[in-house]
Amino acid sequence: AQSVTQLDSHVSVSEGTPVLLRCNYSSSYSPSLFWYVQHPNKGLQLLLKYTSAATLVKGINGFEAEFKKSETSFHLTKPSAHMSDAAEYFCVVSAMNRDDKIIFGKGTRLHILP
Amino acid sequence: GAVVSQHPSRVICKSGTSVKIECRSLDFQATTMFWYRQFPKQSLMLMATSNEGSKATYEQGVEKDKFLINHASLTLSTLTVTSAHPEDSSFYICSAATGQGLRGYTFGSGTRLTVV
Repeated sequence: AQSVTQLDSHVSVSEGTPVLLRCNYSSSYSPSLFWYVQHPNKGLQLLLKYTSAATLVKGINGFEAEFKKSETSFHLTKPSAHMSDAAEYFCVVSAMNRDDKIIFGKGTRLHILP
Repeated sequence: GAVVSQHPSRVICKSGTSVKIECRSLDFQATTMFWYRQFPKQSLMLMATSNEGSKATYEQGVEKDKFLINHASLTLSTLTVTSAHPEDSSFYICSAATGQGLRGYTFGSGTRLTVV
């Protein structure tokens, strides 16, 4: 069975400070993990993905995430927040098995304070 | 709250037939819904944005005549794959804008379509 837990429903950080969005997963198979961002009235945009290559994954807009198997985590980070980062972020797990499907976390709303 | 129900979860159909996938918002009104597809080991691809009472907006490269989207009410959007072919086999998922609370969007559980 697969599951994804985004530990925070909303996160507020000041502009210019680091961002940490937490995600834990469980999967019976080797998972692929994704982070997506969704801005108001827009579709999902892929930030980055992990598919069993390097454990530190760099994405767009300065975001990166580290796959830690021992902690079953895939937290999303950014060194310095920008106002345009305010959006909703989704952690997604996908495992390629016979009944493969994707599982979405419930999302984390990121607020950027001026 | 903010639950989206997507049906069916799995469907197998013959090549040339049409398949309808439903996406319902159970406890809220969704003026905007999104339809995505995913191929194995790839990321989600936005197919179209569906707004209640108006025509859907399709992403570049998505055939509007093949993937018919209807959003006739505030709680139901449907995606019909017409004249399905094996290359249409994929995982389709919808999401709805809740327009309320801290979680702005919620997702259906997805539909695995296999065309044989």
